[in-house]
Amino acid sequence: DSGVTQTPKHLITATGQRVTLRCSPRSGDLSVYWYQQSLDQGLQFLIQYYNGEERAKGNILERFSAQQFPDLHSELNLSSLELGDSALYFCASSLGNTIYFGEGSWLTVV
Amino acid sequence: DAKTTQPNSMESNEEEPVHLPCNHSTISGTDYIHWYRQLPSQGPEYVIHGLTSNVNNRMASLAIAEDRKSSTLILHRATLRDAAVYYCILSEASGSRLTFGEGTQLTVNP
Repeated sequence: DSGVTQTPKHLITATGQRVTLRCSPRSGDLSVYWYQQSLDQGLQFLIQYYNGEERAKGNILERFSAQQFPDLHSELNLSSLELGDSALYFCASSLGNTIYFGEGSWLTVV
Repeated sequence: DAKTTQPNSMESNEEEPVHLPCNHSTISGTDYIHWYRQLPSQGPEYVIHGLTSNVNNRMASLAIAEDRKSSTLILHRATLRDAAVYYCILSEASGSRLTFGEGTQLTVNP
């Protein structure tokens, strides 16, 4: 158990819909990262927050947005969902040099 | 991000040592070398990291070449549970995002 908690674990939704994925980092970790893993793309970095502020941005679509709240939990919002958005979404957190990943949220868009 | 090169796949027998190589010829002086592994449908798991000196922990050892252009992850006695994709990743600084490549698929034979 990495200490990073993600909800929901599984989610099935229809195209065009919007979903929110939630992440609780390890206690004391200030950085939160979001990654997407689909079968044909591997692990892709989406975005990083540090203590509530956006720190780094990767291959995140404009339909996707994220935020980190004062209690350091984070949410990833995915809107206007397409079939190609079906993937495992991982949240990770860190305080120093080691990044710990959650078990992921499986999103299936039908 | 500096690039790493790993073999696509490797095989080992149970209870034998495994040496997983990684080349990173463009590594900069401040890049850390990280190793993560991922089992199917699970989040990446931290294995070990280092900067210049060899490192040991309960999971593995990391041997870093003197010129830092290559490194080797050593699993001292492979078990079936070690079968996973192993990623060698460079990061610029503490807390920087990790950019995952293709990794090495390790198969452990009973």
